[in-house]
Amino acid sequence: DAGVIQSPRHEVTEMGQEVTLRCKPISGHDYLFWYRQTMMRGLELLIYFNNNVPIDDSGMPEDRFSAKMPNASFSTLKIQPSEPRDSAVYFCASRRVGFGTTGSPLHFGNGTRLTVT
Amino acid sequence: GIQVEQSPPDLILQEGANSTLRCNFSDSVNNLQWFHQNPWGQLINLFYIPSGTKQNGRLSATTVATERYSLLYISSSQTTDSGVYFCAPLYNDMRFGAGTRLTVKP
Repeated sequence: DAGVIQSPRHEVTEMGQEVTLRCKPISGHDYLFWYRQTMMRGLELLIYFNNNVPIDDSGMPEDRFSAKMPNASFSTLKIQPSEPRDSAVYFCASRRVGFGTTGSPLHFGNGTRLTVT
Repeated sequence: GIQVEQSPPDLILQEGANSTLRCNFSDSVNNLQWFHQNPWGQLINLFYIPSGTKQNGRLSATTVATERYSLLYISSSQTTDSGVYFCAPLYNDMRFGAGTRLTVKP
């Protein structure tokens, strides 16, 4: 079990540029979550998917943010255009809920530290 | 969704001391996780606990679902216990409280 894999680990970009963060969930997990962590706002849920379908994107701060999950093993979070206030650590996490089971714990990736200058 | 309140927000201990961290919930929970975010930013699963008590070395967690709270006990604290502790009810939308920042001094 390789765990949740995020890339890149660090991203430094200039304001106005497009940023794409990537996530590979644990195989067999049917829920995928994107979080943003800042000192001011803590750990915020941005969006989550169930079986590759976005279920709740109410945490996405603006239309500049978008997320996709084209298949069970890959998800992206895109910011276009990026702004300095988007600087934060972005975490991806996954878990298995399934049917008629107690499911599995939530597992986090190591995060992507984004700096927008 | 369920609201999560964690206390205390900050805690400073001397190495070797014991501590109790608390999570209160706005509704009863069926399942719960405790996490430790270490100084390098990694979020590590500590406990996955539906109810009752679980123990792992110096750490133990107790959840009383009907009373809407969970407690994390840390005994004989070590400097490596420093970091932020989060609890999260296991629902479809996994939302977190503000956490408890623990600093253990040598």
